Amino acid sequence: AQTVTQSQPEMSVQEAETVTLSCTYDTSENNYYLFWYKQPPSRQMILVIRQEAYKQQNATENRFSVNFQKAAKSFSLKISDSQLGDTAMYFCAFVGSNYKLTFGKGTLLTVNP
Amino acid sequence: DTAVSQTPKYLVTQMGNDKSIKCEQNLGHDTMYWYKQDSKKFLKIMFSYNNKELIINETVPNRFSPKSPDKAHLNLHINSLELGDSAVYFCASSQDWGVSQYFGPGTRLLVL
Repeated sequence: AQTVTQSQPEMSVQEAETVTLSCTYDTSENNYYLFWYKQPPSRQMILVIRQEAYKQQNATENRFSVNFQKAAKSFSLKISDSQLGDTAMYFCAFVGSNYKLTFGKGTLLTVNP
Repeated sequence: DTAVSQTPKYLVTQMGNDKSIKCEQNLGHDTMYWYKQDSKKFLKIMFSYNNKELIINETVPNRFSPKSPDKAHLNLHINSLELGDSAVYFCASSQDWGVSQYFGPGTRLLVL
């Protein structure tokens, strides 16, 4: 079974600075997809970024980028120029051939003014 | 314009009651899901339907029964509600298994 581990339950960062959230996963599959989702206090689950395992190039979406290390099974999220609106719970997630999106336990990120 | 919608957003009910949560997506996706988020924010998949066919059925009590009348709708019916069913339930949809899933706003269920 696949597992996703987020080792940082909580993190904080000053506005305009950069922060990196860690995620590791365990799978025996070669073809899979990884995601970061954001859940602000509004409760809505928002897709932040997606990475295909077969792509070596790291995905980027504006201020959000990932460091995907397939051999190490690591998938960290970097947020540049942090904004107050980035305050949220961030979930790393994995989906393989069984169709099941497996989530980590989340990292609560607080951006301080 | 809402891509994935759920009704109701809040549901407060007594133990033993039966309740339903409705989900609709207007994205034209083939696959829909139900997730449960517990009090510690942990998200776990419950069910998934692809073109009205059940493809994922996790170890969920059989008091929970999903129903998909068409590929744009996936409803969740819960019989004999228990205190432990209190959670936020999210519906989601995607075009395929590897493609991004889009979530509804969630339904907060409180069983008293």
